[in-house]
Amino acid sequence: QQQVKQSPQSLIVQKGGISIINCAYENTAFDYFPWYQQFPGKGPALLIAIRPDVSEKKEGRFTISFNKSAKQFSLHIMDSQPGDSATYFCAAGVETSGSRLTFGEGTQLTVNP
Amino acid sequence: EADIYQTPRYLVIGTGKKITLECSQTMGHDKMYWYQQDPGMELHLIHYSYGVNSTEKGDLSSESTVSRIRTEHFPLTLESARPSHTSQYLCASSEYFEPDTQYFGPGTRLTVL
Repeated sequence: QQQVKQSPQSLIVQKGGISIINCAYENTAFDYFPWYQQFPGKGPALLIAIRPDVSEKKEGRFTISFNKSAKQFSLHIMDSQPGDSATYFCAAGVETSGSRLTFGEGTQLTVNP
Repeated sequence: EADIYQTPRYLVIGTGKKITLECSQTMGHDKMYWYQQDPGMELHLIHYSYGVNSTEKGDLSSESTVSRIRTEHFPLTLESARPSHTSQYLCASSEYFEPDTQYFGPGTRLTVL
């Protein structure tokens, strides 16, 4: 079964610190790697996504790092804020018609003031 | 912003009742999904559809059923609710000919007494 392993399960960071969430995948056919952010009582929403032709993608305080040889990718949240407290899901998919994402298990991030 | 709606948002019912959770999207997406999620925890895919009259069971076995008679509508039905069905149910949709960027609804929080 195609799997995406996510760690840690939970993370507590002080305001201003760096939050790092890691994911590893097995299927080398995966070529689309999005991250979703979910606030309590809401559905997940797409945060940022990367394709394997680049090793890093940055949007504001959020950066995805991608290591194709290691089959790993990570989300870095710089200058973490209490408003970033949420559950984060990594996912992987194949960029072809009719495919569907495989989600990681999720990371509950708490940023303390 | 994605236009995907779920009703009701909250539902408390007694054991043995039949319920239908509604999900509608106005984006014309061919692919639609139902996930079961305990708050802040892993997303479990229970059903998906790639178009009208197409439904498939997901990775997590579920006693619920779904139908897809119209592109925009993907209801989920429980014939006889039990306390073990207590959970949050999330609906999502995505385009068929694009990477599987899924747009989620706000969820239905179901409590079965």
